[in-house]
Amino acid sequence: ETGVTQSPTHLIKTRGQQVTLRCSSQSGHNTVSWYQQALGQGPQFIFQYYREEENGRGNFPPRFSGLQFPNYSSELNVNALELDDSALYLCASSFGTDPRGQYFGPGTRLTVT
Amino acid sequence: DQQVKQNSPSLSVQEGRISILNCDYTNSMFDYFLWYKKYPAEGPTFLISISSIKDKNEDGRFTVFLNKSAKHLSLHIVPSQPGDSAVYFCAASAITGKLIFGQGTTLQVKP
Repeated sequence: ETGVTQSPTHLIKTRGQQVTLRCSSQSGHNTVSWYQQALGQGPQFIFQYYREEENGRGNFPPRFSGLQFPNYSSELNVNALELDDSALYLCASSFGTDPRGQYFGPGTRLTVT
Repeated sequence: DQQVKQNSPSLSVQEGRISILNCDYTNSMFDYFLWYKKYPAEGPTFLISISSIKDKNEDGRFTVFLNKSAKHLSLHIVPSQPGDSAVYFCAASAITGKLIFGQGTTLQVKP
């Protein structure tokens, strides 16, 4: 049984560009949640996808968007990158929306210059 | 508006002693509280949780206490081991499954 994987591990983008981050959920899981962790802070909830539908969104602007595919893997897209978007992006998969069942991936470190 | 706060950025304890990590929250609608442990270059790993209807939950060396009147929870690790050195996050959730995290406390357990 494979755990949650994320790609890429690191990437560097320029302000104004667009980025796509990917997450493969753990086998049997149908829910993916995305979090942003800025340096020295705790993870902040971006949004959650349950069975391919958005199921809750945090306080992030519309340039943060996502998708969940039929195999329950997920993408996070960020348009018009800003310097403050530099952070570790974590995804967590679960079966259903029970908060106790979320398993996190190792994250993607995004640097915006 | 920080709904979950961990006011101690760091904590250092001697191996074998008790580690106590604290967390405060403001929203009385939270129904679950969770503790996660995070090593560098890894995602957070779930440690232990407590429902809002309970005041204590134990799992081996880890015990979480919830004081609803004070809107405060704490994680006790007894005895502390060097492998426990990590960043610990407190998180809270309402029914939606959205987790709200504190800022984290870095625990160092000295041999």
